[in-house]
Amino acid sequence: DADVTQTPRNRITKTGKRIMLECSQTKGHDRMYWYRQDPGLGLRLIYYSFDVKDINKGEISDGYSVSRQAQAKFSLSLESAIPNQTALYFCATSVTSDRDTQYFGPGTRLTVL
Amino acid sequence: KQEVTQIPAALSVPEGENLVLNCSFTDSAIYNLQWFRQDPGKGLTSLLLIQSSQREQTSGRLNASLDKSSGRSTLYIAASQPGDSATYLCAVHDYKLSFGAGTTVTVRA
Repeated sequence: DADVTQTPRNRITKTGKRIMLECSQTKGHDRMYWYRQDPGLGLRLIYYSFDVKDINKGEISDGYSVSRQAQAKFSLSLESAIPNQTALYFCATSVTSDRDTQYFGPGTRLTVL
Repeated sequence: KQEVTQIPAALSVPEGENLVLNCSFTDSAIYNLQWFRQDPGKGLTSLLLIQSSQREQTSGRLNASLDKSSGRSTLYIAASQPGDSATYLCAVHDYKLSFGAGTTVTVRA
C-alpha cells in the first residue's frame, strides 16, 4: 500500500460547488502539506501543518481551507470552487528526523467548469 | 521571497549521453535542497536531498552538487536511458519548499 494516499484521484465539478480533497498517510510523519501544480509554474504551497494543532497558510491560501483531523489525515477544502482552481493538487508529508525530506502522494486532478 | 529557476525547460538527448540539469535560487539561506522526478500524471519521487552544509550527494548514476554561495545546484545523470525520461524538479527548503518549474527530459533510444 502507498504511504501517502489522496482521494479522489480525479474530480470534475462546477463553479460554486464545495469540494474536499483528502490526504492520508501511514508514514507516522507529523508534518503535512498541500500544494497545487499548474503548467509552467511548478508547485506552490497552499497550507501546511506541523502537528495536529498547528495550521499555517502558504503562499496561495486564498479560496482554500484545511482541516487536520488526526496526525495521519489532512483535508483541503474549496468552499466555492472557481475555474482558476483547476490544477493538480498534491499532499506531502515530512518529519524532521528525516531531514524534512518530503514524500508526495499521487495527486488529485481537479477540473472546475 | 525565494525564487527558483530551472533552465532549460526541456531537453532531448540520445541514449547514453550524460544529462546536466541546472537549478538556481535567489536566497542562499537554505536548510536543504531536494531533487525530485515526476512522471506524467504521477506524483513526485524524491531523488536526492543535499543538506546546506554539503557540497554534493550521489545515488547510483545520479550526482547532485550544491553551491550555496552562488545559489546554484546541478543534477548530473550519467549514461542516460529512455527510462530517465521524466520531468525533474528542484526544490529549495528554507522554512518551506519552493519549487522550480522543472526540466522535462526526453531520452531518445
